[in-house]
Amino acid sequence: EAGVVQSPRYKIIEKKQPVAFWCNPISGHNTLYWYLQNLGQGPELLIRYENEEAVDDSQLPKDRFSAERLKGVDSTLKIQPAELGDSAVYLCASSLDGIRAFFGQGTRLTVV
Amino acid sequence: GQQVMQIPQYQHVQEGEDFTTYCNSSTTLSNIQWYKQRPGGHPVFLIQLVKSGEVKKQKRLTFQFGEAKKNSSLHITATQTTDVGTYFCAGPHAGGTSYGKLTFGQGTILTVHP
Repeated sequence: EAGVVQSPRYKIIEKKQPVAFWCNPISGHNTLYWYLQNLGQGPELLIRYENEEAVDDSQLPKDRFSAERLKGVDSTLKIQPAELGDSAVYLCASSLDGIRAFFGQGTRLTVV
Repeated sequence: GQQVMQIPQYQHVQEGEDFTTYCNSSTTLSNIQWYKQRPGGHPVFLIQLVKSGEVKKQKRLTFQFGEAKKNSSLHITATQTTDVGTYFCAGPHAGGTSYGKLTFGQGTILTVHP
């Protein structure tokens, strides 16, 4: 069984530029999460989807971050414009039961 | 909001020594999960504890869930170099719109000297 697939693995952009991350969850997993992980910290939830519906986006900075999960499968997370403080690892995870999460390899974003 | 705290932040041990990390939540948890993240890797699920006072073992790893379901511990017996990584506990919110949201502790970074 394939795991959660994320791309790209690494991204370096200049501040004020837009960036997008893509996630393909495990087949059949209706719950999808986007987490942000800063160095030396635990993952912090940005948004959670149940199928195509965003059921928890309270931690998503909506002025510059947006996410979508069309058709309830793949998801994209976008930042526009990126700021220096957005440098972090962006983790996508999916879950079958809404409790146990399976994480992708993450996208390491560096904003310069 | 819910807070999940872990101690210690760092632990350096000699290979063969034991290791314990502790997790405390500000609220009662419906369950608690433990994840391991290798350097440069992503969090990988280890186990879930559900019942008050539950104890589970995985080879050299022993997981405990407190009676009040607000704290948990992970103990590794006779550490090996393959145990290196960051160990996170995570507790889900129960009820309301945040059901299923995992709140992670800040993790305990374990290094093992051969």
